[in-house]
Amino acid sequence: DTAVSQTPKYLVTQMGNDKSIKCEQNLGHDTMYWYKQDSKKFLKIMFSYNNKELIINETVPNRFSPKSPDKAHLNLHINSLELGDSAVYFCASSLASGATYEQYFGPGTRLTVT
Amino acid sequence: GQQVMQIPQYQHVQEGEDFTTYCNSSTTLSNIQWYKQRPGGHPVFLIQLVKSGEVKKQKRLTFQFGEAKKNSSLHITATQTTDVGTYFCAGRVDYKLSFGAGTTVTVRA
Repeated sequence: DTAVSQTPKYLVTQMGNDKSIKCEQNLGHDTMYWYKQDSKKFLKIMFSYNNKELIINETVPNRFSPKSPDKAHLNLHINSLELGDSAVYFCASSLASGATYEQYFGPGTRLTVT
Repeated sequence: GQQVMQIPQYQHVQEGEDFTTYCNSSTTLSNIQWYKQRPGGHPVFLIQLVKSGEVKKQKRLTFQFGEAKKNSSLHITATQTTDVGTYFCAGRVDYKLSFGAGTTVTVRA
């Protein structure tokens, strides 16, 4: 039983396209996150939702728009994809917000923009 | 900018040897977490430290939180090939986890 799942696992697309990544957690957690991991493995938080409410919105281009239909789901839509968007995107969840709880990461979505 | 620094960036270890990776912050941290990411995998939580001077052990892994709560270390004894991966520390900064750049460990058999 996968705790945090993401689809798709791989995404190859051309510059200018729009794409979405979906995430679901079955842990009953209140808080979900999107992280971007670049080629140097640096993990940077992009967004966080607590019970469907956006609580962290880092300096991310507004081409990136998260959406949380319910507390078990967090999706990421990216408009007008650019070469620099190529990275691995991880969804994660934790029991609650505040960075005091362990985070459970999904398997990641490797996005390649050509 | 990056608020949690981690060194070294790479660690090449002979199987059976020990090594340590270090995590430093310019500000006092309320807690520090450690994660391990295997090649091609996702970060997996290892442990959380919250008390000044705290030491926790998990088999061959020893985690420490500094007295001033500004630094932490992970020491692995008798390294095995299963220890290969990237180890991240993460500290709570402004109510969110700030990850260090990671130490990528390779093991020579």
